[in-house]
Amino acid sequence: GDSVTQMEGPVTLSEEAFLTINCTYTATGYPSLFWYVQYPGEGLQLLLKATKADDKGSNKGFEATYRKETTSFHLEKGSVQVSDSAVYFCALRISAAGNKLTFGGGTRVLVKP
Amino acid sequence: GAGVSQSPSNKVTEKGKDVELRCDPISGHTALYWYRQSLGQGLEFLIYFQGNSAPDKSGLPSDRFSAERTGGSVSTLTIQRTQQEDSAVYLCASSLSGSTETQYFGPGTRLLVL
Repeated sequence: GDSVTQMEGPVTLSEEAFLTINCTYTATGYPSLFWYVQYPGEGLQLLLKATKADDKGSNKGFEATYRKETTSFHLEKGSVQVSDSAVYFCALRISAAGNKLTFGGGTRVLVKP
Repeated sequence: GAGVSQSPSNKVTEKGKDVELRCDPISGHTALYWYRQSLGQGLEFLIYFQGNSAPDKSGLPSDRFSAERTGGSVSTLTIQRTQQEDSAVYLCASSLSGSTETQYFGPGTRLLVL
C-alpha cells in the first residue's frame, strides 16, 4: 500500500540554522505531495504542496521539491526562527485512491533562541 | 469565513460507553474527511464523504465506528462501546470537492477513554 516515511524527531536547532526534514514515499499511483504543520496548541495547516515531478512547493521560507526518481519530498528552510517550532507532517494523496491523505509519522522541530 | 469546527473539543468517557463527535465543514465544501491522531499510530485516515455518501470507508478500524453526513454539511462520527485504544485526537477536514488538493483541518476532538 501507499506509505510515507519521514525522519524521526525531535530535531533541535538554534535560531538561524538550516533545517532539513527528509521524506520519502511509496505509492501505487502518481501522488500529489504535501507538507502540513501543526504549531503548539493549533490544528493542522497546509504548509506547501507539489502535484507533479520536479515541482517545487514553497511557503514561509520553506521549500520542497518533488523528486520522482528518488521518491522524495524533503523539506528545507535556510534560516529557522523560534516560531518555526512545530510538528511537521509529510503526506501524499492519490486522487484515484479516494482522495485521502496518507501521512508520515511527523517530525517535531524545536528551535532554540 | 469560518473554518472547520469540531465539537466537543475534549471528551472523557468510560470504557463501554458510546460517543458522538461532530464536525462542521467550511460552508460550500462538498468533501469531508475524518482522521485519527494517536500516539501509537500517527495520523490515520478513517472515512471520506462526498456530499452525503461515503465512497471510502476503508480506514474505519472496526464496526464499532460509524459516520454519517446529512444535508451535505455536518458530519457525526460515532464510536460505540468505546475501548481504551480509541483514545486519540479525532480530526475532521473538508475540501471544496473531492478532486481539490487542499484539505482544511479542524482543531480536533481529544477523546480519552478511561
